[in-house]
Amino acid sequence: GAVVSQHPSWVICKSGTSVKIECRSLDFQATTMFWYRQFPKQSLMLMATSNEGSKATYEQGVEKDKFLINHASLTLSTLTVTSAHPEDSSFYICSASWGAREQYFGPGTRLTVT
Amino acid sequence: AQTVTQSQPEMSVQEAETVTLSCTYDTSESDYYLFWYKQPPSRQMILVIRQEAYKQQNATENRFSVNFQKAAKSFSLKISDSQLGDAAMYFCAYRSASQKYGNKLVFGAGTILRVKS
Repeated sequence: GAVVSQHPSWVICKSGTSVKIECRSLDFQATTMFWYRQFPKQSLMLMATSNEGSKATYEQGVEKDKFLINHASLTLSTLTVTSAHPEDSSFYICSASWGAREQYFGPGTRLTVT
Repeated sequence: AQTVTQSQPEMSVQEAETVTLSCTYDTSESDYYLFWYKQPPSRQMILVIRQEAYKQQNATENRFSVNFQKAAKSFSLKISDSQLGDAAMYFCAYRSASQKYGNKLVFGAGTILRVKS
């Protein structure tokens, strides 16, 4: 099956610093990648959709200057949380798909901002 | 806009018994896909089962089956012979078949399933 990885799985950073999370499709070329945020015991909230070589499309209410998304290749998308604050602490999940196929999810990244 | 509703925040089932998780959705489209995802404590999202709206036959994957009622916009998941490993949060999700929505998934709020031994 299609495999998606995320790195790191857990990151702790100090308030005011930036942190980058990578999402890779390991055995397929992902034309589209999605980034979600999830709080404990809640559903996934879509933050943005990125297509390879294009600017990401952000969902309403998501600050694009704070959550920078880059989809530079067909196998890699990155999410950079800039000037992180404790309220940005959350679980971030990426998924990838190609064509009209379903999304394949990464294992997630836990971000803790101290 | 499409919406997905899961009205059961938590459910419990005895090991080896059967449990049904409910899901309703709202859409004006006729062509779409419905999914059930499982999120265990590891938080890895796992696709449990998928249903194409144009198919009348209910999807089945081993112990997991769905009851898809298109007119009622209902999509419930039945887990038979429940096992301890089935304990997880379950999400119902909708995806339009139209490319204008770009394969986006609309998730329900989720149902926490507890399995008692």
